[in-house]
Amino acid sequence: GDSVTQMEGPVTLSEEAFLTINCTYTATGYPSLFWYVQYPGEGLQLLLKATKADDKGSNKGFEATYRKETTSFHLEKGSVQVSDSAVYFCALWDPYTGTASKLTFGTGTRLQVTL
Amino acid sequence: EPEVTQTPSHQVTQMGQEVILRCVPISNHLYFYWYRQILGQKVEFLVSFYNNEISEKSEIFDDQFSVERPDGSNFTLKIRSTKLEDSAMYFCATQGGPGYGYTFGSGTRLTVV
Repeated sequence: GDSVTQMEGPVTLSEEAFLTINCTYTATGYPSLFWYVQYPGEGLQLLLKATKADDKGSNKGFEATYRKETTSFHLEKGSVQVSDSAVYFCALWDPYTGTASKLTFGTGTRLQVTL
Repeated sequence: EPEVTQTPSHQVTQMGQEVILRCVPISNHLYFYWYRQILGQKVEFLVSFYNNEISEKSEIFDDQFSVERPDGSNFTLKIRSTKLEDSAMYFCATQGGPGYGYTFGSGTRLTVV
């Protein structure tokens, strides 16, 4: 079945540091890939997505490129801020698994940014 | 921007009691989902619902769980006899169609004591 593997957290960085959170996947078909963010006490918010190989999703300074050859979708940001402190979830949607297709999530990576 | 609304935001219940979690989906969305997140763990799929019936359910979604759209607007998750291990954050999500983005609600934190 489909699965998503994320790097373990927590990740602690100083403000303005470079961020990478690794994500790899296995899927039956050609999935769409997503990063969701969960700020403290809140629900899941879509951060960015990519629907086909070599697509780059970007939002709020975050980027991730859909790499089919390495089955990866690593999240990056050049300069993190304290306000980026949250839990980040990598997820995939496989269109070949049914009419109403579920998202498969990774375990989440907690990011803590300090001054 | 359209939102998915979940109520209540927090619920504490005694073990063995029934709970109903409610979700108001975005009005023109057709696909509905429930996910849960046990504290500190991954977000897990419970059930998907389309055209007034369950499309898919996970092994977690046993006979204690049920879903329905009782009035064509609300989408509910019922747990008949809660267990301690049902304590989690429950998220409703809706989707306009296959390949469209999901919109998640802000969740209901269920605590079973």
